[in-house]
Amino acid sequence: EVQLVESGGGLVQPGSPLKLSCAASGFTFSSNWLNWIRQAPGKGLEWVASINPDGSSTYYPDTVKGRFVVSKDNAKNTGYLQMNNLRSEDTAMYYCARGEPGGWFAYWGQGTLVTVSS
Amino acid sequence: DTVLTQSPALAVSPGERVTISCRASESVSTLMHWYQQKPGQQPTLLIYLASNLESGVPARFSGSGSGTDFTLTIDPVEADDTATYYCQQSWNDPTFGAGTKLELK
Repeated sequence: EVQLVESGGGLVQPGSPLKLSCAASGFTFSSNWLNWIRQAPGKGLEWVASINPDGSSTYYPDTVKGRFVVSKDNAKNTGYLQMNNLRSEDTAMYYCARGEPGGWFAYWGQGTLVTVSS
Repeated sequence: DTVLTQSPALAVSPGERVTISCRASESVSTLMHWYQQKPGQQPTLLIYLASNLESGVPARFSGSGSGTDFTLTIDPVEADDTATYYCQQSWNDPTFGAGTKLELK
């Protein structure tokens, strides 16, 4: 059974860093894209990062480029999202999702909540 | 960025047929996918590549379209289908529609 479990969320002050983790099981982690998607309270879904299977290429939207860094450790079956210089508008539930070759997200974790507030 | 436009909300009675639309600001070929999200839960994949039913999803759900206009159809609607439905394109950097909230009368 494919499982993705996020952790690391919490309450942080503006300007602080935070690192999220995504533990994967039930599939060959090293063969799949890993994505991070967030959802602000009461709002829609926003893609925030993607990393290719071997971790050599990463992609971000302009809203987080230069502040967020996605990585994956294929030996540990774990993905990460390092978030720096957090802003109040980064407050959201953060989901990790397995990416399929055609670009859809077949499996999602349950999410971890990040709150940025003073 | 490719902008996806969805109608904000629909209300239907159980047993009826409902269509949820998604219009892209540019052609995305058939690289359009649909998700269901129930309150307090993560999204789940319903349809990929415009018309392919994800494994385990009831055959009441179907998708169609290409280019800029896409439709998710639920026929017949059941009470458990109360949720928000999102479209997502993968022609370029992923973007999602704002979601269509489906309520049952």
